[in-house]
Amino acid sequence: GAVVSQHPSRVICKSGTSVKIECRSLDFQATTMFWYRQFPKQSLMLMATSNEGSKATYEQGVEKDKFLINHASLTLSTLTVTSAHPEDSSFYICSAPRRTGSFYGYTFGSGTRLTVV
Amino acid sequence: AQSVTQLDSQVPVFEEAPVELRCNYSSSVSVYLFWYVQYPNQGLQLLLKYLSGSTLVKGINGFEAEFNKSQTSFHLRKPSVHISDTAEYFCAVSEGYGGATNKLIFGTGTLLAVQP
Repeated sequence: GAVVSQHPSRVICKSGTSVKIECRSLDFQATTMFWYRQFPKQSLMLMATSNEGSKATYEQGVEKDKFLINHASLTLSTLTVTSAHPEDSSFYICSAPRRTGSFYGYTFGSGTRLTVV
Repeated sequence: AQSVTQLDSQVPVFEEAPVELRCNYSSSVSVYLFWYVQYPNQGLQLLLKYLSGSTLVKGINGFEAEFNKSQTSFHLRKPSVHISDTAEYFCAVSEGYGGATNKLIFGTGTLLAVQP
């Protein structure tokens, strides 16, 4: 089945540094990638949608300059958390739609636990 | 815009008992509906989905859900739960036109806690 590989699974970084999270579609082309964040015991909140070859679309309230999204190819999308602060600590998950027949299903990465100290 | 409500933040249940996790949605357009399961520190796994057709949808691990348009609900059920079913369950909705840029809107999740 469709697989989205997300790395790293866990990262601890110092406040003020930047962290890059990668999501790769392994056996299909992902022209679109959704990026979510999830706080402990809360739901997934959509942060942004990346599209290969164009600028990402950010949800209201999400800082574009802080959460840099790049969709470099049909199989790779990255999220960079710049100048990370403790309040950015969260679980980040990517999801790519994949066409099956007339429907697009969603394949999720395994998530990245970011801890900013 | 769509929204999803999961009224129960946690549902404790004994092993081998039946369970129902509630989900209600609101939307001004036709929708697709989903249930996902999330184990600790992992991504989401699709349990089942409703696109069209039969309102009773069967999924993996013995789960099923029924789409009720008049009540705008999509409750998840399992007749007999196992300890291994302990996890967070999310109901989600997307606009029902099947485009690649459809956004998934998630409910707040329900923790199913199965006790021996």
